[in-house]
Amino acid sequence: DAKTTQPPSMDCAEGRAANLPCNHSTISGNEYVYWYRQIHSQGPQYIIHGLKNNETNEMASLIITEDRKSSTLILPHATLRDTAVYYCIVTHKLSFGAGTTVTVRA
Amino acid sequence: DTGVSQNPRHKITKRGQNVTFRCDPISEHNRLYWYRQTLGQGPEFLTYFQNEAQLEKSRLLSDRFSAERPKGSFSTLEIQRTEQGDSAMYLCASTSLEWANYGYTFGSGTRLTVV
Repeated sequence: DAKTTQPPSMDCAEGRAANLPCNHSTISGNEYVYWYRQIHSQGPQYIIHGLKNNETNEMASLIITEDRKSSTLILPHATLRDTAVYYCIVTHKLSFGAGTTVTVRA
Repeated sequence: DTGVSQNPRHKITKRGQNVTFRCDPISEHNRLYWYRQTLGQGPEFLTYFQNEAQLEKSRLLSDRFSAERPKGSFSTLEIQRTEQGDSAMYLCASTSLEWANYGYTFGSGTRLTVV
């Protein structure tokens, strides 16, 4: 299964954009990139997914490099409620790594 | 349909006892997954079903663990002879095969504490 690498933590100022990187250099051609987040004591919440094109929804934008070996999740205007652990996943079995703990500060 | 439902939310049991958790997926979803999450770690895949067929089991799923989805709807996860190391959050997720490349919906989990 393809694995992902994410920074363990990052801080972001409230109201600013948060850019979360993910490396997935072993991704295969038909595997999608999914992003989920998990707020303490809750189940993971789906954010966005993509195959090769950039995607945007009401929560976030996903930028995937042309070679598909990495991607960036963008939270355009971070709020305190976006404080969570963010996971980047590339297999249908959703094998999660440790994710990135994002702390949004006022 | 309000999403994936898991029961109970919390379970405290004595070591050596058997426990069973239930997951009710979104009704039109034919794929159902079980995960285990320990403190500070991401969820770890345990097993998944497509309809009533159990298609894959992780090596994490020891012979004390068994999962069923008898009619392709709800699923149960049973742990026999619980050990303290089984203490974790057990998460269930569902999706539709037709939408397998789209978002999975997770339940809120069952937190198991083995004392």
